[in-house]
Amino acid sequence: KAGVTQTPRYLIKTRGQQVTLSCSPISGHRSVSWYQQTPGQGLQFLFEYFSETQRNKGNFPGRFSGRQFSNSRSEMNVSTLELGDSALYLCASSLGTIVGGAHEQYFGPGTRLTVT
Amino acid sequence: AQTVTQSQPEMSVQEAETVTLSCTYDTSESDYYLFWYKQPPSRQMILVIRQEAYKQQNATENRFSVNFQKAAKSFSLKISDSQLGDAAMYFCAYRSPYLQGGSEKLVFGKGTKLTVNP
Repeated sequence: KAGVTQTPRYLIKTRGQQVTLSCSPISGHRSVSWYQQTPGQGLQFLFEYFSETQRNKGNFPGRFSGRQFSNSRSEMNVSTLELGDSALYLCASSLGTIVGGAHEQYFGPGTRLTVT
Repeated sequence: AQTVTQSQPEMSVQEAETVTLSCTYDTSESDYYLFWYKQPPSRQMILVIRQEAYKQQNATENRFSVNFQKAAKSFSLKISDSQLGDAAMYFCAYRSPYLQGGSEKLVFGKGTKLTVNP
């Protein structure tokens, strides 16, 4: 079974531009979560989607947005990029059923975004 | 809000020896899940081990085991017979079962970089 894939793997953008990152979950997984990883702040939760609905959101400005499609693939968008947005963006997928339990989350390799 | 603290930014161990990574957390919940994730230099994060708070028995996965002290809110990871491939960043993470909609949000510690010396 193919793992979580993220595209692109590396990206260089200029301040003020916008960027869209993509995440394809493992087949059959309905939940996708996004995390920002930086040396200073560590891993911070951005948002989570389940069956095309956002079911949780982290403490990030409105410039960060996301969506999930009917095939569970997810995209996140960052508008008006700032230097501080440079980070590794990780997505994770899981079965994500609502009824209890803690399914394992599988992480993708990440997208390294550099803002200059 | 829950917080996770890893007080050891870096650790090193000799190959074949044992090392323990520390993690403490703060929560008012009585039920929750704790995880240790490994992130090798290639960056793909993988789950090492998990512990359900309602289980008193410490989880083990081959050479990896945890020491879960619920009252002390401590969750340490012990790696036995360390191998070169164990070198990585290790993250401790907390998950609440009570988030609205069944959210699977993880709260991570800042990580511990483990070096394995041959």
